[in-house]
Amino acid sequence: EADIYQTPRYLVIGTGKKITLECSQTMGHDKMYWYQQDPGMELHLIHYSYGVNSTEKGDLSSESTVSRIRTEHFPLTLESARPSHTSQYLCASTDGQSQETQYFGPGTRLLVL
Amino acid sequence: DQQVKQNSPSLSVQEGRISILNCDYTNSMFDYFLWYKKYPAEGPTFLISISSIKDKNEDGRFTVFLNKSAKHLSLHIVPSQPGDSAVYFCAATPSGTYKYIFGTGTRLKVLA
Repeated sequence: EADIYQTPRYLVIGTGKKITLECSQTMGHDKMYWYQQDPGMELHLIHYSYGVNSTEKGDLSSESTVSRIRTEHFPLTLESARPSHTSQYLCASTDGQSQETQYFGPGTRLLVL
Repeated sequence: DQQVKQNSPSLSVQEGRISILNCDYTNSMFDYFLWYKKYPAEGPTFLISISSIKDKNEDGRFTVFLNKSAKHLSLHIVPSQPGDSAVYFCAATPSGTYKYIFGTGTRLKVLA
């Protein structure tokens, strides 16, 4: 059973607001990921981290930023939200000891008006 | 350029029958493959995986087959149950990168 949490689950905000999407895992996993997914589309990797103080941009360009100050916490921030940021954001982690399963959080569905 | 392709956006199957979901990939560096199941408003849940050194992996009602020469894998669910109705994603990762590439998903509907 995976212990990875995301808050909020749903968020409706106005254009220009700053938001932070939270992701935490209690499994001690080194590797954490953020994906963006629109309906009917694949999951696009937007950020990943292989450990504390390590963050990289993913394959899909994103205006969001991330930080990894603690192993268990990998928040994603949008400084100024726009309607084009409306999407589902999924956080995942893996222990990376081998080619391992990624465990996903429940996701945050963001709507920017 | 989509490296992992699920060409069937949807599939309907009668309860008790076999469901076969297909996935094709283009990158020969991929050596580990995973299938995930996703319900609406939830995160994907891991189902089954297969390493490129194998051609088959079974777990209960779920079997994944890998054909490396054709760069094709498939997920078989037998017997299918109404609770299996969900979107199924195929994912692949190249050795040592820990970066996962996902397909667009296939929506499976199991009819009672």
